[in-house]
Amino acid sequence: TQLLEQSPQFLSIQEGENLTVYCNSSSVFSSLQWYRQEPGEGPVLLVTVVTGGEVKKLKRLTFQFGDARKDSSLHITAAQPGDTGLYLCAGAGAGSYQLTFGKGTKLSVIP
Amino acid sequence: ETGVTQSPTHLIKTRGQQVTLRCSSQSGHNTVSWYQQALGQGPQFIFQYYREEENGRGNFPPRFSGLQFPNYSSELNVNALELDDSALYLCASSLPGQAYNEQFFGPGTRLTVL
Repeated sequence: TQLLEQSPQFLSIQEGENLTVYCNSSSVFSSLQWYRQEPGEGPVLLVTVVTGGEVKKLKRLTFQFGDARKDSSLHITAAQPGDTGLYLCAGAGAGSYQLTFGKGTKLSVIP
Repeated sequence: ETGVTQSPTHLIKTRGQQVTLRCSSQSGHNTVSWYQQALGQGPQFIFQYYREEENGRGNFPPRFSGLQFPNYSSELNVNALELDDSALYLCASSLPGQAYNEQFFGPGTRLTVL
């Protein structure tokens, strides 16, 4: 069974601060996706990383896939209240139809 | 382009009852997956439908069943409801032939079992 561990579970920071969220596994994934979920909504896809060592930037968000494709990180620069939400990582195995999700990191950005 | 829609938004049932949840996939998406998200947890894969057939299943008992229709919409049926079935049920559709199984989620149905 593939498991994804996310840390920290909760994060509360002031507007303007930087933060990093981690997603770790003992399993290799063919791709890893990051989603953001707001209360009462379904998760929304932010990015997919597929190559070991890959770095992708989405405005103030930087996503990195580990060299061994077992872990990933999300770094947010100068966090804003609009970044508040539940950040979920999800991994897909090679040829698999199934996404394995972590438990998520609940981020609160205080104005 | 219409996104993924789900109905109903909220539902309250009692233990032992049966429930049917509905999902309309995003335009052009022929693959639908269902997930269960318990409070404080990430979504857990229930099953996926492609071309009206179950294409894979997670670790859920047979009382969780589904259907997909020719217009790609889908239903999730749960029989003999248990208290632990209380959760947000998410439907997600994906593009045909898409390489990385990227999912487009609906807003979910919040099921409460009393």
